[in-house]
Amino acid sequence: EPEVTQTPSHQVTQMGQEVILRCVPISNHLYFYWYRQILGQKVEFLVSFYNNEISEKSEIFDDQFSVERPDGSNFTLKIRSTKLEDSAMYFCASRDPSLGPQHFGDGTRLSIL
Amino acid sequence: QKEVEQDPGPLSVPEGAIVSLNCTYSNSAFQYFMWYRQYSRKGPELLMYTYSSGNKEDGRFTAQVDKSSKYISLFIRDSQPSDSATYLCFGAGGTSYGKLTFGQGTILTVHP
Repeated sequence: EPEVTQTPSHQVTQMGQEVILRCVPISNHLYFYWYRQILGQKVEFLVSFYNNEISEKSEIFDDQFSVERPDGSNFTLKIRSTKLEDSAMYFCASRDPSLGPQHFGDGTRLSIL
Repeated sequence: QKEVEQDPGPLSVPEGAIVSLNCTYSNSAFQYFMWYRQYSRKGPELLMYTYSSGNKEDGRFTAQVDKSSKYISLFIRDSQPSDSATYLCFGAGGTSYGKLTFGQGTILTVHP
């Protein structure tokens, strides 16, 4: 069964450094999402992306964050200058054009030192 | 008011028990309903996806939607320790079909 894949599974970065999290959505999906989950808390929406532009973003998704679909298969989340509070699991999700359910990857654990 | 309210749990049951997980929703435009399961440090995994009212069965899992009472249920038969996870319910449809707004879900523990 097709699945969403995320790399790396664990990323350790120094505070202030830039980090790029990568996702390969399911191939025929057109809607893409990033969520994050701080340890012990609920999953929070960050941003949705469709037709090469952001369709919705949360208050968490400030100027330090950006998303890109650089080619036909990858979807990336960039954090420009990481902070300690960016430490979390980051999940990518995708959805097909017929408005089916979202499918999630297994996440990238981001640890900021 | 949240669009979907879930029984908070936690729920602890012995192996083999029938588990009932329940949610209510307020948005009458919802037509699609989803149950996800999330294991610790893993991504949410789609368990059941149903349209409109009625039952849908998949192995030991049955999803039930009652649109007249705006009630969503997930039943797990012959529960196993591997079913121990957080379960989350969602509705979608009308103008509400984009991001998923997560609650805390219901933490289920099935003990041997």
